[in-house]
Amino acid sequence: KQEVTQIPAALSVPEGENLVLNCSFTDSAIYNLQWFRQDPGKGLTSLLLIQSSQREQTSGRLNASLDKSSGRSTLYIAASQPGDSATYLCAVNRSDKFYFGSGTKLNVKP
Amino acid sequence: NAGVTQTPKFRILKIGQSMTLQCTQDMNHNYMYWYRQDPGMGLKLIYYSVGAGITDKGEVPNGYNVSRSTTEDFPLRLELAAPSQTSVYFCASSDYRGFYEQYFGPGTRLTVT
Repeated sequence: KQEVTQIPAALSVPEGENLVLNCSFTDSAIYNLQWFRQDPGKGLTSLLLIQSSQREQTSGRLNASLDKSSGRSTLYIAASQPGDSATYLCAVNRSDKFYFGSGTKLNVKP
Repeated sequence: NAGVTQTPKFRILKIGQSMTLQCTQDMNHNYMYWYRQDPGMGLKLIYYSVGAGITDKGEVPNGYNVSRSTTEDFPLRLELAAPSQTSVYFCASSDYRGFYEQYFGPGTRLTVT
């Protein structure tokens, strides 16, 4: 069974720092990996989707990388802002199903 | 384009009652999913569907039922509600044409007392 782990569970940084969120998965036979943002009491917003044949995807200040062979993905956030405060979840897609990590709760202090 | 919509937003049920959570998507996606999210946890898959008339169990299907009579709608039925079903429920959809990128609804917060 696919297990997805996100480390750290929580992270607090001062505004302006660059930071890295980690996601690891146990089965490398994935179709894609998706990073989401979740604000308190809200649904999930898709940030980036990396197909299994890709190594990275970029959107604005966000960059996600994928190393399928080692079962790892990272989400890099450049020049963090207080508005980035949220929970970030990764999910891997295998066959018809998605498997989610528990998320990293990010707090960016002004 | 509304995307994925869910109703109701909030609901309180008494133990033993039943209810249906509604989910509709207007993106013509083949795949639809129901998840539950408990506090501080990731999402657990309850049921999913790869097209109208086809449904399958996820990780935590007990106590729930689904049907998919149209491409757009994927209702989730709770029978004999229990306190363990207190959670936030999310519906999502995706399609192979978008490399299965998932789009989520805003969620239904359910409390069973």
